[in-house]
Amino acid sequence: SSELTQDPAVSVALGQTVRITCQGDSLRGYYASWYQQKPGQAPVLVIYGENNRPSGIPDRFSGSSSGNTASLTITGAQAEDEADYYCNSRDSSGNHLRAVFGGGTQLTVL
Amino acid sequence: QLQLQQWGAGLLKPSETLSLTCAVYGGSFSGYYWSWIRQPPGKGLEWIGEINHSGSTNYNPSLKSRVTISIHTSKNQFSLKLSSVTAADTAVYYCARGQRGSYVYYYYYYMDVWGKGTTVTVSS
Repeated sequence: SSELTQDPAVSVALGQTVRITCQGDSLRGYYASWYQQKPGQAPVLVIYGENNRPSGIPDRFSGSSSGNTASLTITGAQAEDEADYYCNSRDSSGNHLRAVFGGGTQLTVL
Repeated sequence: QLQLQQWGAGLLKPSETLSLTCAVYGGSFSGYYWSWIRQPPGKGLEWIGEINHSGSTNYNPSLKSRVTISIHTSKNQFSLKLSSVTAADTAVYYCARGQRGSYVYYYYYYMDVWGKGTTVTVSS
């Protein structure tokens, strides 16, 4: 299967830790990449590979993977982390020809 | 610092062809996968397809019959054409740079640079 499944919405208290998950068969062979999108803006890559952050992404963002599940963890969530988060991978069947996104998780920081 | 600048018609009538172009500034064109992604109003991201510097393409099967992605290496540009548009094609369209590879046991794929997006509305 090429689908990636995310919880539609998650909330976290300011300063606390939150985990956003992404499930899919392709994640048994692919690291997920994670994107943050704020209203009216283009997505921004926050995690890629095993657990890599692009330049400028705070170290409170981290990624992990186990079996068919990838996770994005924000340790000490800040108000500016409130956004939609999308996971992304490639369909691991059929020669990896197609990229796929999860449905997105809306993160609310309380 | 690599930048992507995109442009194209923002208002189309049903049955017309959507045409967008993305220019790559400040970086190499080769070795990457140049992608198009769209986002309907209030919905999630949908990958449309990609092309590499050699012109090899991959498309989302759900759009494959209507999509053509082409590359213009002399101009460091790549383009998207989507034919026979309907209201369901109304979305913000993004171009992005993709990278693919593998470690010992895992593959990786990510899109690290994105254009600002172009809003395309299909309406009669």
